[in-house]
Amino acid sequence: RKEVEQDPGPFNVPEGATVAFNCTYSNSASQSFFWYRQDCRKEPKLLMSVYSSGNEDGRFTAQLNRASQYISLLIRDSKLSDSATYLCVVKRNAGNMLTFGGGTRLMVKP
Amino acid sequence: EAGVVQSPRYKIIEKKQPVAFWCNPISGHNTLYWYLQNLGQGPELLIRYENEEAVDDSQLPKDRFSAERLKGVDSTLKIQPAELGDSAVYLCASSLDTYSPLHFGNGTRLTVT
Repeated sequence: RKEVEQDPGPFNVPEGATVAFNCTYSNSASQSFFWYRQDCRKEPKLLMSVYSSGNEDGRFTAQLNRASQYISLLIRDSKLSDSATYLCVVKRNAGNMLTFGGGTRLMVKP
Repeated sequence: EAGVVQSPRYKIIEKKQPVAFWCNPISGHNTLYWYLQNLGQGPELLIRYENEEAVDDSQLPKDRFSAERLKGVDSTLKIQPAELGDSAVYLCASSLDTYSPLHFGNGTRLTVT
């Protein structure tokens, strides 16, 4: 079993839709959590950190459930420009060891 | 601020040949990482440097892969000899320290034929 698991998708949604991705992690020692965005043939870029209390950045909301060991990303009012792969990332306290999920591909259509 | 710079952008070689990738991290970033990303998968860590010291190389296939960061700035990753299965994107990233977010370069896409 992979340490970080995501549904690879693709999620095909119309513009304006709300879409949510989940991610599960297996290592209970994981301390920090992030969502990265990766456009086709580009490098991953940090989208947002995920805090225990949940956090929002514009149309994006991230939540963490430590008891069930999953993280979620909600995107409201999807834009064409949101089409990308969203990578779930967990970090253990040892150094800056990041473990990436395989990514969930989102395609927003007109 | 200049980002992480990697070269070459693309590399095509025949199997059993050597290949090297170069990375220049963001100025002042002490921590440097090399990741491997296969198609449809997330990046996987190969090696992490704190300044010039490799502090985590447990995932680096040491029989054919080597890396160095001699002066604690630029880094090179080498494969010798390359195998067909090494075809992937090799990403370099840097961070200010072990607590800061990672910034990735745009990667080197390696094709081994």
